[in-house]
Amino acid sequence: QSALTQPPSASGSPGQSVTISCTGTSGDIGGQKYVSWYQQHPGKAPKLMIYEVIKRPSGVPDRFSGSKSGNTASLTVSGLQAEDEADYYCSSYAGSNNLIFGGGTRLTVL
Amino acid sequence: EVQLVESGGGLVQPGGSLRLSCAASGSYSPYWMQWVRQVPGKGLVWVSCIDSDGGTTNYADSVKGRFTISRDNAKNTVYLQMNSLRVEDTAVYFCGRGWAAMDVWGQGTTVTVSS
Repeated sequence: QSALTQPPSASGSPGQSVTISCTGTSGDIGGQKYVSWYQQHPGKAPKLMIYEVIKRPSGVPDRFSGSKSGNTASLTVSGLQAEDEADYYCSSYAGSNNLIFGGGTRLTVL
Repeated sequence: EVQLVESGGGLVQPGGSLRLSCAASGSYSPYWMQWVRQVPGKGLVWVSCIDSDGGTTNYADSVKGRFTISRDNAKNTVYLQMNSLRVEDTAVYFCGRGWAAMDVWGQGTTVTVSS
């Protein structure tokens, strides 16, 4: 399984919105409803931000939203804040109890 | 609230073995558990998973035949036995709770394979 494709970087100014894409195949993103997004600050463990494409765990601000179209999933961060600066990883269930991650996107708040 | 704590990492020579542990504390119920690794400065890579009673496991192709995941629910602990270690297995290893999404993660344990 090849990694899901994410842009290496994204950026936006405080208060703006930014969208990060994650492209896979019909065997993972396109054929599954189990797409997740994780936030990771330097030296820290990942944190679940979105699961099952659009759902937010308790405690995650509603500024974070997920979507999917075909083989591409997206994470949108609205009203950017300084603390949103981090690495973001998408993940998809790929069948037969396999998971696959994207290569990660470094989000910079300008 | 469940917390996960990994241990067992360290420095090992190529061809050597290590056993990682992931201990759960707090309100524990058996869940699917995952191991994910990350080379410093690089992305997350899925390694292995195990279901709530240990009857179902799976592995990434890169570790299949060398790594074995297991669990002891009486001890609230999941293990990753790593044999025939290679330089490319060097990474921080995280355990996470969940099947298709991991809502609780440990802090990671570092494995360095080097001569």
